[in-house]
Amino acid sequence: DAGITQSPRHKVTETGTPVTLRCHQTENHRYMYWYRQDPGHGLRLIHYSYGVKDTDKGEVSDGYSVSRSKTEDFLLTLESATSSQTSVYFCAAGSLQTYEQYFGPGTRLTVT
Amino acid sequence: AQSVTQPDIHITVSEGASLELRCNYSYGATPYLFWYVQSPGQGLQLLLKYFSGDTLVQGIKGFEAEFKRSQSSFNLRKPSVHWSDAAEYFCAVVTSGYALNFGKGTSLLVTP
Repeated sequence: DAGITQSPRHKVTETGTPVTLRCHQTENHRYMYWYRQDPGHGLRLIHYSYGVKDTDKGEVSDGYSVSRSKTEDFLLTLESATSSQTSVYFCAAGSLQTYEQYFGPGTRLTVT
Repeated sequence: AQSVTQPDIHITVSEGASLELRCNYSYGATPYLFWYVQSPGQGLQLLLKYFSGDTLVQGIKGFEAEFKRSQSSFNLRKPSVHWSDAAEYFCAVVTSGYALNFGKGTSLLVTP
């Protein structure tokens, strides 16, 4: 699993509150990703990072922002959470040599 | 953009029977393709991958997949299914930023 951890693992929050999810890797991968998983949609890319302070949008980026100040940490922020952002969020880190991605255990976020 | 389609949302097989999960890709050049498995409440585990070369690739847990350019397919197979194979299976293709574009998944149920 390339040492990918996510925190928190579960969170319940209210509509309109800010939320930050953290992803930490220990393998020094340059690329990191945030996906969300929803029933019937598989996993969809939110944002990704190709280096410290270098990020780009994915398919479902509206309402989300990311930051990467260190190689090992990739943060996902919901500035003002909405019920449509209730989901399971997965972080991944990627190897440029093999194109494989290693996934964290996921964070289950519920917005009430 | 590169994409994959998994036509079957649910599949039920008897334990000991053979299994084939379908995946069709959309990409002009040779795609980089993956199969991942997700057990209930768990993260994603890589089963196998295809980049080039031999079109029949072997993976973990007795799975294999065959790349067929003429059919734009990368179907996952297993000759004899075990009850522990019950899970959600995702086909994915590498896209921009080395991110993965996932299919919507196929849920496998194994009956006694």
